[in-house]
Amino acid sequence: RKEVEQDPGPFNVPEGATVAFNCTYSNSASQSFFWYRQDCRKEPKLLMSVYSSGNEDGRITAQLNSASQYISLLIRDSKLSDSATYLCVVNTNNNDMRFGAGTRLTVKP
Amino acid sequence: IAGITQAPTSQILAAGRRMTLRCTQDMRHNAMYWYRQDLGLGLRLIHYSNTAGTTGKGEVPDGYSVSRANTDDFPLTLASAVPSQTSVYFCASSSQGANEQFFGPGTRLTVL
Repeated sequence: RKEVEQDPGPFNVPEGATVAFNCTYSNSASQSFFWYRQDCRKEPKLLMSVYSSGNEDGRITAQLNSASQYISLLIRDSKLSDSATYLCVVNTNNNDMRFGAGTRLTVKP
Repeated sequence: IAGITQAPTSQILAAGRRMTLRCTQDMRHNAMYWYRQDLGLGLRLIHYSNTAGTTGKGEVPDGYSVSRANTDDFPLTLASAVPSQTSVYFCASSSQGANEQFFGPGTRLTVL
């Protein structure tokens, strides 16, 4: 079993839709959690950190459920520019960031 | 330069050849990392360095070596390339104690 698992998708949604991704992790000692965004043929970039209290940035909300060992990402009112691959990242210590394989999102007009 | 750069952008290499991928950052970050990204597997850590003069092994270190002679540079060397090392290689850096990692643009390596 992979340490960090994501549904690879693809998720194809119309503009304006709400879409949610989940990610599960197996290491209960994991300490910090992130969502990164990766555009086609580009490098990953930090989208947001994830906390059990939730983290919201405009149309995007991330949430951690440490008891069930999963994190979620919710995108409301999807835009064409949201099309990308979203990487779930779990950190056990500073040198052990584990990346999920990514969930691909395509927002269509 | 601003941020983190990698060279070359892409390379086709014959099996058995030696290759060094270059990575340079100007953010004075203490920690640097090398990852490979393969379809369906996500990014996997090859080697890391917490500070100049120290290095450590990641999840998939075999066939690769690194050095960290100074803060800015973190080259990755394939001593004798094999086709299974065909991948996209990303270098990253972070401030010591911080979790956010900043990535370079990547090097696409094909080993034939």
